[in-house]
Amino acid sequence: DTAVSQTPKYLVTQMGNDKSIKCEQNLGHDTMYWYKQDSKKFLKIMFSYNNKELIINETVPNRFSPKSPDKAHLNLHINSLELGDSAVYFCASSQTWENSALHFGNGTRLTVT
Amino acid sequence: GENVEQHPSTLSVQEGDSAVIKCTYSDSASNYFPWYKQELGKRPQLIIDIRSNVGEKKDQRIAVTLNKTAKHFSLHITETQPEDSAVYFCAASNPGGGADGLTFGKGTHLIIQP
Repeated sequence: DTAVSQTPKYLVTQMGNDKSIKCEQNLGHDTMYWYKQDSKKFLKIMFSYNNKELIINETVPNRFSPKSPDKAHLNLHINSLELGDSAVYFCASSQTWENSALHFGNGTRLTVT
Repeated sequence: GENVEQHPSTLSVQEGDSAVIKCTYSDSASNYFPWYKQELGKRPQLIIDIRSNVGEKKDQRIAVTLNKTAKHFSLHITETQPEDSAVYFCAASNPGGGADGLTFGKGTHLIIQP
């Protein structure tokens, strides 16, 4: 009965491919996020989305696009994958837009070869 | 934007001793300061948080202190146990919320020596 679930857990693909990672939360939270954790463990926010407003971190390449069919889902689509995209991607949700605890999914380890 | 500095990057303590991790932030408007624990291969999980109207908060062996004037906050773990070994992240959030709201420190790898 996972609160924030993301699939797949592992994703191995070649450069140039397009891939998607799915995320669902059953907590009834208003806001969802995507974070990237690199090899040095640094957690960097990519997107936040609260059903009406999408905020994109300006450093995220436009090859990355979030798609939210409804409040409980925020999927991540990546075009033209590059070696530097290899990382662990975490989906998260929070009850409100402002200053509330993040609940993370278990992560998707993306390896681009 | 907010900048969060976290020290040390690695901390090794003997089992039973205390561990202290320190963070500083740059945006005086920040008012929410959570701490996350990430065990190897797992997701980050919230262990304690504090808001700017409180100077200290304690939960069993874990405590967090906040000094708004100096813009720093610290995590204190007493009577450390092997299961405390993990990477700990501090974060600071301003009232704006969303992507601009939460900035993480770079993490502290806490190692508990038996």
